[in-house]
Amino acid sequence: RKEVEQDPGPFNVPEGATVAFNCTYSNSASQSFFWYRQDCRKEPKLLMSVYSSGNEDGRFTAQLNRASQYISLLIRDSKLSDSATYLCVVNEAGTYKYIFGTGTRLKVLA
Amino acid sequence: SAVISQKPSRDICQRGTSLTIQCQVDSQVTMMFWYRQQPGQSLTLIATANQGSEATYESGFVIDKFPISRPNLTFSTLTVSNMSPEDSSIYLCSVMTQLTAKNIQYFGAGTRLSVL
Repeated sequence: RKEVEQDPGPFNVPEGATVAFNCTYSNSASQSFFWYRQDCRKEPKLLMSVYSSGNEDGRFTAQLNRASQYISLLIRDSKLSDSATYLCVVNEAGTYKYIFGTGTRLKVLA
Repeated sequence: SAVISQKPSRDICQRGTSLTIQCQVDSQVTMMFWYRQQPGQSLTLIATANQGSEATYESGFVIDKFPISRPNLTFSTLTVSNMSPEDSSIYLCSVMTQLTAKNIQYFGAGTRLSVL
């Protein structure tokens, strides 16, 4: 089993739609979780950290389910500019190392 | 967040040669990392660049192939040695800073390497 697993997609959604991505992780001792966004031919950029209680940033909501070892990202009212690859990232327990998922591609269609 | 300058942004190299990639940060950071992202793949950690000592390499990566220098807290280099076409990839440096008690990594723009 991969340490961090994501559905690679692509998810093709119309503008204005709501879309959700899930990510599962294998190490139950993992402490920190993040969503990064990577545009084509660009570096990954932090979208949001994921907190145990869940957190929201504008149209983006992240959730953590420790019991089931998954995190999710919900995007409401999708914009064309949301088209990108979304990387699930888990901080390996007891280290500074990040473990990256393979990413989920999102295409928002006009 | 830190401002990271990575260069070159891209290069085309002949097999058997070496390329050194530079990463400069605008502030002192404790942790710097080097990643590889092969086409269509996610990021794989090559090594942690340690200031004043040898880098810590991940499984599958060795110092002879990927020598790393970290002379101070704002600068690091990664060399891809004796290149082959399989080394064609994007190489990214990152730095770690602390934000609201979480350790956040920020990335340079990457170096797109093609080996012929």
